[in-house]
Amino acid sequence: NAGVMQNPRHLVRRRGQEARLRCSPMKGHSHVYWYRQLPEEGLKFMVYLQKENIIDESGMPKERFSAEFPKEGPSILRIQQVVRGDSAAYFCASSQALNTEAFFGQGTRLTVV
Amino acid sequence: AQTVTQSQPEMSVQEAETVTLSCTYDTSESDYYLFWYKQPPSRQMILVIRQEAYKQQNATENRFSVNFQKAAKSFSLKISDSQLGDAAMYFCAYRSAVRGGGSNYKLTFGKGTLLTVNP
Repeated sequence: NAGVMQNPRHLVRRRGQEARLRCSPMKGHSHVYWYRQLPEEGLKFMVYLQKENIIDESGMPKERFSAEFPKEGPSILRIQQVVRGDSAAYFCASSQALNTEAFFGQGTRLTVV
Repeated sequence: AQTVTQSQPEMSVQEAETVTLSCTYDTSESDYYLFWYKQPPSRQMILVIRQEAYKQQNATENRFSVNFQKAAKSFSLKISDSQLGDAAMYFCAYRSAVRGGGSNYKLTFGKGTLLTVNP
């Protein structure tokens, strides 16, 4: 049973470009969570999704950031018009149900130049 | 809102020795979970140990054990017989266990402690 898969592992974007980060949850998991880790910081919650629904996006910046988890395919975290401050590691986690253990992917390191 | 504080940005230990990493947290809830995660240079977040607040017995996993002091809101991690592979960033994390609660799926992390193991 493969773990949570994130790709790409590393992503470099110029200021103003779009970044798309993908997360395939573990098999049988329908709950997905995105976290951001800024340099020298712990992970901070961004958004919680179930299939086709955003449940809680209270940790997402109001502009430029969006997330989806379609019926088919991976969850996508999309950052439009990236700025240097978006440079961070973005982690995805998945769980089988609410209140069950969440497993993390290896993260995507986004660098904005 | 809950907060998690790790007061030791860096710690070091000699191989085969024991080291304790500190964590304190603030919450008004009585039912919650506490976790220690390890993040090696690969950046993978690996769950080391988990404690349910309603359990008085401290959790243990092989060489890893915790000292959970609920009244003091303290949750330290003890690593015995330290190995070179234990070198990593360690994060303490909190999650509410309140049923029907608004955010019992969110993990709140501390800033981490970088552990170095010296041969």
